[in-house]
Amino acid sequence: DAGVIQSPRHEVTEMGQEVTLRCKPISGHDYLFWYRQTMMRGLELLIYFNNNVPIDDSGMPEDRFSAKMPNASFSTLKIQPSEPRDSAVYFCASSLSLPGNTIYFGEGSWLTVV
Amino acid sequence: AQSVSQHNHHVILSEAASLELGCNYSYGGTVNLFWYVQYPGQHLQLLLKYFSGDPLVKGIKGFEAEFIKSKFSFNLRKPSVQWSDTAEYFCAVNILTGGGNKLTFGTGTQLKVEL
Repeated sequence: DAGVIQSPRHEVTEMGQEVTLRCKPISGHDYLFWYRQTMMRGLELLIYFNNNVPIDDSGMPEDRFSAKMPNASFSTLKIQPSEPRDSAVYFCASSLSLPGNTIYFGEGSWLTVV
Repeated sequence: AQSVSQHNHHVILSEAASLELGCNYSYGGTVNLFWYVQYPGQHLQLLLKYFSGDPLVKGIKGFEAEFIKSKFSFNLRKPSVQWSDTAEYFCAVNILTGGGNKLTFGTGTQLKVEL
């Protein structure tokens, strides 16, 4: 089975540009998570969806960040405009709905904003 | 809100040494507990998880963890580490009340195993 698929794997962009990260969860999973990982702050949950509906976006750092899930097999995380402090690895993850089910992570999108 | 503490931020061991990584969480109710591992340049992978029953959980690659409810702890252990265990290890907690499936991660422990 294919795991969580993220794109792009690596992106380098200039400050002020729009960045869109994409995620395809594991088929059948109804929870989707966006995490950000940095050396300073570790793993942070940005937002998560259940059945395509955003449930908790309290981790989204500011209005420059937005996430959508138009259908069960696709989600985007957008940063506009991007800033150097947004440089991080962004992980998408998915799981089934039963509490305690394993959350499966994608390989991450490594973002560098210069 | 629940929190997860990993007190060891960096650990350096020689091959064949024993490993114990600490994890404590702050929630008095029912929880599920996880350890994830992230090898250099890779994504997070599940090592083991505790749902209920036997508090001693065995995972992949010879790792195990013990849930001690009275201490709010879920420490990770391995009797003899290998160079290939060099990675970052994350403890995570999922609170079961209220439904949902939202993991809170600790800050991670970077393990380096030297030959």
